[in-house]
Amino acid sequence: GDSVTQMEGPVTLSEEAFLTINCTYTATGYPSLFWYVQYPGEGLQLLLKATKADDKGSNKGFEATYRKETTSFHLEKGSVQVSDSAVYFCALSEGSSASKIIFGSGTRLSIRP
Amino acid sequence: GAGVSQSPSNKVTEKGKDVELRCDPISGHTALYWYRQSLGQGLEFLIYFQGNSAPDKSGLPSDRFSAERTGGSVSTLTIQRTQQEDSAVYLCASSRELFSYNEQFFGPGTRLTVL
Repeated sequence: GDSVTQMEGPVTLSEEAFLTINCTYTATGYPSLFWYVQYPGEGLQLLLKATKADDKGSNKGFEATYRKETTSFHLEKGSVQVSDSAVYFCALSEGSSASKIIFGSGTRLSIRP
Repeated sequence: GAGVSQSPSNKVTEKGKDVELRCDPISGHTALYWYRQSLGQGLEFLIYFQGNSAPDKSGLPSDRFSAERTGGSVSTLTIQRTQQEDSAVYLCASSRELFSYNEQFFGPGTRLTVL
């Protein structure tokens, strides 16, 4: 079945460092891809999404490009801040009539001042 | 309301008791979803509703779990005879329609602790 694999954490970086969190997926159809973020003590919220191949999702300085050829949706940010510390989940939604989101296991990111 | 709300925010219960978790989706959202997030684990899909109908219940962990939705709005997830392994954060989400490109908006979750 469809699945999402993302790099295990925790990831610890210094402020202003470059961030990459890898995510690859397995899907039989043409899923939509998402990054969700869970800040400490808060609920899950959508960070960015891409609905078709070569689309780039972006928000709050984060970017991810839907790469069908490599089945990847890596999350990047050029200069992280302490406020980016959170758990990041890569996810996919199956097909055109999605009944659920399949989540990766999450990557905990900690940014040192 | 402005977002998805869930109640209670925290629930501590004794093993063997029944619990009911409630979800109020965003007004007008036809699709509603339940997920479970266990400590140190990812999110596990449980069930979805399109309107009041739940076509696929295979994601529910056991027959102790059931869910219903009435009036195309509020949903309750019921766990009977709770076990310690049921301890988790139960998340509810809703979306405008049941399509992959529609964002799912998540509630804050109910943290269930079974002693």
